[in-house]
Amino acid sequence: QSVLTQPPSASGTPGQRVTISCSGSGSSIGSNPVNWYQQLPGAAPKLLIYTNIQRPSGVPDRFSGSKSGTSASLAISRLQSEDEADYYCAAWDDSLNGWVFGGGTKLTVL
Amino acid sequence: QVQVVQSGTEVKMPGASVKVSCKTSGYTFTTYGISWVRQAPGQGLEWMGWISAYTGDTNLAQKIQGRVALTRDISTSTAYMELRSLRPDDTAFYYCVREAGDSTGYYFAYWGQGTLVSVSS
Repeated sequence: QSVLTQPPSASGTPGQRVTISCSGSGSSIGSNPVNWYQQLPGAAPKLLIYTNIQRPSGVPDRFSGSKSGTSASLAISRLQSEDEADYYCAAWDDSLNGWVFGGGTKLTVL
Repeated sequence: QVQVVQSGTEVKMPGASVKVSCKTSGYTFTTYGISWVRQAPGQGLEWMGWISAYTGDTNLAQKIQGRVALTRDISTSTAYMELRSLRPDDTAFYYCVREAGDSTGYYFAYWGQGTLVSVSS
């Protein structure tokens, strides 16, 4: 069981907007920034969003992150077929003194 | 550009040890820490631990700290993860990840390609 809670699946049609939630605790998301990673099928994870809202160069502005209290969200607008992947949130946990991940959300583009 | 290249697939018997290497290039090795993250087949990501490339200090996940050792060789810009007393449930892809960030927050910026460690009798 993961320390951060994500829905196991999400879906949308091309052009739609989808959001993926990530719920934690005061010692994780409540105290530290959230990062998001995208894992395409058969590939290593890749950094998608860092420190809650920042996008690395090369990541389309269709991807955006937000955080409020002990929860965070990843939004994907203008959904495309190549967005079909697993998405993971992560944060440092002060109580565990280590990084914790969400269980991952499998995004399906219908 | 930053590159993180890991060693190849390992097949081990239960009870054995495995040592995975992670060779980095494209930056000053001692500037950033290295974390190790594993992923069992069809499962999520699990952080195993971190090593300071500068000092060699480590921070290991509680679940695994008695069986894992993280080391580095500054001369070759290479990090190593050794896992002892292997069990079948250690079968996973093991990722080496170079960190980035500052006082506002850290993150896993560059991921290796992953090393499959398969444990079976």
